[in-house]
Amino acid sequence: QTVVTQEATLSVSPGGTVTLTCGLNSGAVSTDHFPSWYQQTPGQAPRTLIYNTDTRSSGVPARFSGFILGNKAALTITGAQATDESHYYCLLFMGSGISVFGGGTELTVL
Amino acid sequence: QLQLQESGPGLVKSSETLSLICTVSSGSIYSSDHYWGWIRQPPGKGLEWIGSIYYSGSTNYNPSLKSRVTMSVDTSKNQFSLRLTSVTAADTAVYYCARLHMTIFYFYGMDVWGQGTTVTISS
Repeated sequence: QTVVTQEATLSVSPGGTVTLTCGLNSGAVSTDHFPSWYQQTPGQAPRTLIYNTDTRSSGVPARFSGFILGNKAALTITGAQATDESHYYCLLFMGSGISVFGGGTELTVL
Repeated sequence: QLQLQESGPGLVKSSETLSLICTVSSGSIYSSDHYWGWIRQPPGKGLEWIGSIYYSGSTNYNPSLKSRVTMSVDTSKNQFSLRLTSVTAADTAVYYCARLHMTIFYFYGMDVWGQGTTVTISS
């Protein structure tokens, strides 16, 4: 069974930098998994931040960046703002039309 | 700007079938580089991929749900739908429909989301 791993919780100071990661129990994450990242605040639908590893969706601030970090996908927020306090989910494409979400990271800005 | 709207019963009895429809507006379900998908989120938990469908009717399902899931598309109504059989309390969730930017060559994730609809499974 494919399991996508994310940090359960992270915190960052306002103006600080934080990196969230997205791993795979069966091996390394690569660009072939087309990693994408989604931000969700309570009661709202998810918002797409990053797709295809490092491409920002329309309207997403440049402080969000995606990349491959070692054997994981990563999302870095540079210059965190209070409005970045949210849940973040990564999604990996496993082939044959199947994708798997990570368990999500709850990010606190304090 | 293309929009998606989920509709269907908010309450379904245990062991029965959950049926939801997603209506596509301000755009066409006919798209060579998009699929149409369903994602759900149980209360207080994370997102779960259910599956996706192409306008031609080709489908891909989460292996863990495959035995109970059927997706279909109605191009005349610009809608696609989800059926989940033999539901239990574990199927209680917010169900989202979404447009997926994908082809057989790439997967660029969801680029449009519906607002979500809450479905509660009652005993």
